Amino acid sequence: DQQVKQNSPSLSVQEGRISILNCDYTNSMFDYFLWYKKYPAEGPTFLISISSIKDKNEDGRFTVFLNKSAKHLSLHIVPSQPGDSAVYFCAAMEGDYKLSFGAGTTVTVRA
Amino acid sequence: EAGVAQSPRYKIIEKRQSVAFWCNPISGHATLYWYQQILGQGPKLLIQFQNNGVVDDSQLPKDRFSAERLKGVDSTLKIQPAKLEDSAVYLCASSLGGVFGEAFFGQGTRLTVV
Repeated sequence: DQQVKQNSPSLSVQEGRISILNCDYTNSMFDYFLWYKKYPAEGPTFLISISSIKDKNEDGRFTVFLNKSAKHLSLHIVPSQPGDSAVYFCAAMEGDYKLSFGAGTTVTVRA
Repeated sequence: EAGVAQSPRYKIIEKRQSVAFWCNPISGHATLYWYQQILGQGPKLLIQFQNNGVVDDSQLPKDRFSAERLKGVDSTLKIQPAKLEDSAVYLCASSLGGVFGEAFFGQGTRLTVV
């Protein structure tokens, strides 16, 4: 039973434009959400996180938005750069437990 | 700060053989995770340790998979006997533990069962 869902397997965006990645979850006990970035042949790398008491967290070009009522979060990358081409995983935790991942979205930034 | 170390990077075995993976987490990290990532899917949690105790192993196929974390530091994951469907990347991650602690991942071990 997949509790974290990324329904878009891929996204292609032009350099300089905004990339918007979406994630939905079903477990209302999740209280911490994370985005990870993964390059081929490497492990996932932590990108940005948000706790359930917030609705927005920003770090440079990356912003994560959380809509608890809709059980939905999104990652915005502005502006998109070629080095952002990677697989992005949405993840969620219940307290200190069960770091659960979505299936990932492959982002391709076109020059 | 040294990252999470995993070995080997690659392993090819025949079905019904045994295999073991090793993980050395970041120093001081109490929480250690093992994930299985099948091609095209997200990482699936197999087992979570807090120090040397198991917190969650609900998705670990215990008839063939086992894991231990001796002295709350290094960990090994074993598969015996392996099946074709075990072909995947096995990722180890560690975190400080407590709430809101992001996990840091190793490079993973790519297992191919033929």
